[in-house]
Amino acid sequence: NAGVMQNPRHLVRRRGQEARLRCSPMKGHSHVYWYRQLPEEGLKFMVYLQKENIIDESGMPKERFSAEFPKEGPSILRIQQVVRGDSAAYFCASSRQGTQETQYFGPGTRLLVL
Amino acid sequence: GENVEQHPSTLSVQEGDSAVIKCTYSDSASNYFPWYKQELGKRPQLIIDIRSNVGEKKDQRIAVTLNKTAKHFSLHITETQPEDSAVYFCAAISASGGYNKLIFGAGTRLAVHP
Repeated sequence: NAGVMQNPRHLVRRRGQEARLRCSPMKGHSHVYWYRQLPEEGLKFMVYLQKENIIDESGMPKERFSAEFPKEGPSILRIQQVVRGDSAAYFCASSRQGTQETQYFGPGTRLLVL
Repeated sequence: GENVEQHPSTLSVQEGDSAVIKCTYSDSASNYFPWYKQELGKRPQLIIDIRSNVGEKKDQRIAVTLNKTAKHFSLHITETQPEDSAVYFCAAISASGGYNKLIFGAGTRLAVHP
């Protein structure tokens, strides 16, 4: 039973380019959450999605960041026109239901912006 | 908004000693409290969780206690081993609004010395 999958594991972008991060939830899970972790810091909630719906995007910057979870395929976190401050580890987590359910984390994507 | 405070930020113990990490939360509607362990460069992994209808839960050397009145919960690790060295994060989840969002503490870096 595969866990949460994320790819790529490492991503290097130059300032101004786009970064696209993918997350495949665990089998049977329809709820996906994205978190950002800056070096030596904790995890900050960004966005919560169910299939084809954004439930809560209160932690996501309004500019340059977007997320989707289409009916088919993985959830995608897209960062346009990346800046050095976007360098971080981006983790996604998934849960079966959306209430009081354990969230299981993927291995993360480490984004480095040069 | 919701907030979770975690103390201490760093903790150093000798192998075999106990370690205690404490967290407080602000949202009285919070009803689920997981603890995650994160080793360097790895994903956060759930080690234990507690729901608001119980006051204590134990799993081998790890225990968690919850005081809903005071809005705080603690992680206790007994007979610590070097492999317990990692960053530990507490989190609180609120089901208000019909969905859950994990709010993390800032983390505690535990070092267990042989």
